[in-house]
Amino acid sequence: AQRVTQPEKLLSVFKGAPVELKCNYSYSGSPELFWYVQYSRQRLQLLLRHISRESIKGFTADLNKGETSFHLKKPFAQEEDSAMYYCALSPPGANSKLTFGKGITLSVRP
Amino acid sequence: DTGVSQNPRHKITKRGQNVTFRCDPISEHNRLYWYRQTLGQGPEFLTYFQNEAQLEKSRLLSDRFSAERPKGSFSTLEIQRTEQGDSAMYLCASSPTTGRTGELFFGEGSRLTVL
Repeated sequence: AQRVTQPEKLLSVFKGAPVELKCNYSYSGSPELFWYVQYSRQRLQLLLRHISRESIKGFTADLNKGETSFHLKKPFAQEEDSAMYYCALSPPGANSKLTFGKGITLSVRP
Repeated sequence: DTGVSQNPRHKITKRGQNVTFRCDPISEHNRLYWYRQTLGQGPEFLTYFQNEAQLEKSRLLSDRFSAERPKGSFSTLEIQRTEQGDSAMYLCASSPTTGRTGELFFGEGSRLTVL
């Protein structure tokens, strides 16, 4: 069975501090992995995809197949990064049927 | 706003009543998804349409739940004989067939409270 685990519920950091949001997955094969973000009073939206190897708003995420992890990182947090972050996976070519983790609240203090 | 639209945004009902939610996807999107989100959890997949065809249903979707997308445009999700455990946020999302894999465009959700 496929599963996404986000072990922490809350991460609170000061502005300018590095951020790492942890995500581990369970899947027999090579899934596609994503980070979604929900800012206060906004809709859930895609932040980045592992397949694109992109950096969005200073965030990057590296897929580690050995550790089955897909941690989200940013070297210097900004107050506007405060949001709920969800890690998600999809079987390859599965029409974007996503399995989400429970999410983590990132709070960036001034 | 040309995003995914869901109605009603909030619904309070008594146990045993039927409720229906509507989702209007982004107009050029032919894929439509329903998810459910309970407190402290991430969204959980319920069902998926490609145009008017319902291609996949989760085991979470009991026989009290039915979803339709009759003309391949808007979709409805009906819950019959509601139970308190049905209280949740029901999220609709859409995507184009040729869009970026994994990029779903979510609505604001319909919150159901069953008393």
